Amino acid sequence: RKEVEQDPGPFNVPEGATVAFNCTYSNSASQSFFWYRQDCRKEPKLLMSVYSSGNEDGRFTAQLNRASQYISLLIRDSKLSDSATYLCVVNMGGGGNKLTFGTGTQLKVEL
Amino acid sequence: EAGVAQSPRYKIIEKRQSVAFWCNPISGHATLYWYQQILGQGPKLLIQFQNNGVVDDSQLPKDRFSAERLKGVDSTLKIQPAKLEDSAVYLCASSPGETQYFGPGTRLLVL
Repeated sequence: RKEVEQDPGPFNVPEGATVAFNCTYSNSASQSFFWYRQDCRKEPKLLMSVYSSGNEDGRFTAQLNRASQYISLLIRDSKLSDSATYLCVVNMGGGGNKLTFGTGTQLKVEL
Repeated sequence: EAGVAQSPRYKIIEKRQSVAFWCNPISGHATLYWYQQILGQGPKLLIQFQNNGVVDDSQLPKDRFSAERLKGVDSTLKIQPAKLEDSAVYLCASSPGETQYFGPGTRLLVL
């Protein structure tokens, strides 16, 4: 089983749609969780952290379910500019702030 | 604030040749990471430095890859000799804490 698993997509959605991505992780001792965004041929950039209580930033909502070892990202009112790859990222703990990245989920928002 | 700088941006070499990449982290960031990102995959950690000491190099192929951060600031990653499967984007990141900030990467093609 992969340490961090995501559906690679692509998810093709019309502008204005709501889309959700899911991610599972294998290590129950994992300490912190993030979503990074990576545009084509660019570097990854932090989108948001994920907390047990949920985290909302504008049109983006991230949720964590520790019991199921599951993380989600919801994007409401999709914009063309949201087209990118969304990377699920887990700090597996054990010291050293080591991040493990999923393969990413590709989103294409269309007119 | 200046971001993470990397050079060169692109490199094409033949297999069995050697190549070196350079990274200058964000000023004041003690932790520096090198990642390898193969097309269609998420970044994979190669090595992590805290100041000039190695924290984690468990996924660095030490028979051909080496990295150093002599004065706790700039870092170089070397591959000698290169193989076809080393074709990837090599990303450098730095961090003051948990959030990692990535440079633009070096795109390596091994022919």
